[in-house]
Amino acid sequence: QKEVEQNSGPLSVPEGAIASLNCTYSDRGSQSFFWYRQYSGKSPELIMSIYSNGDKEDGRFTAQLNKASQYVSLLIRDSQPSDSATYLCAVNTDGGSQGNLIFGKGTKLSVKP
Amino acid sequence: EPEVTQTPSHQVTQMGQEVILRCVPISNHLYFYWYRQILGQKVEFLVSFYNNEISEKSEIFDDQFSVERPDGSNFTLKIRSTKLEDSAMYFCASTWLSGRTEQYFGPGTRLTVT
Repeated sequence: QKEVEQNSGPLSVPEGAIASLNCTYSDRGSQSFFWYRQYSGKSPELIMSIYSNGDKEDGRFTAQLNKASQYVSLLIRDSQPSDSATYLCAVNTDGGSQGNLIFGKGTKLSVKP
Repeated sequence: EPEVTQTPSHQVTQMGQEVILRCVPISNHLYFYWYRQILGQKVEFLVSFYNNEISEKSEIFDDQFSVERPDGSNFTLKIRSTKLEDSAMYFCASTWLSGRTEQYFGPGTRLTVT
């Protein structure tokens, strides 16, 4: 069964610090990787997408992908209290043909002022 | 900025009743999805829809579920005879090109089955 694993946390970091969130996936055929942020009671909000090995930066966010290790990560620099949320890793595991996403359980991040 | 919309935001129904959840995907998107999230659990894929037909469905999407695109804008999920275990948040998502493009989620419908 195709799985996406995340440390459920909670991960607590002080304001201004770097938060590091990790995700592993089981299907080597996966091609598309996404990070979503979900506030309590709300819907997933897309933060980053990454498709190739390496780093991708967007503002305070950096996504990292290592397909050989089947590992995706998200770094949040200069963490703010408003970043406190659950971060969901999502993977398209069917080679891109249908786009169905497999989600991890999410990592709860708490940024302390 | 275009966004996916869903109605209603909250639906309460009795066990055995039919419910229809509605979604308006982003206008130039071609692929549509329904996901659900039971409280405290992960987001789960239900069904994908393209070119007016189901592309793929999960084991959850049994005969009690159906989807339809009745016109050029709406995308609906019908549950024919609701069960207690259908209580969840239901999210609609859309993307312009399957697989390698980002999916944008609507705000969700909270379904409570009593």
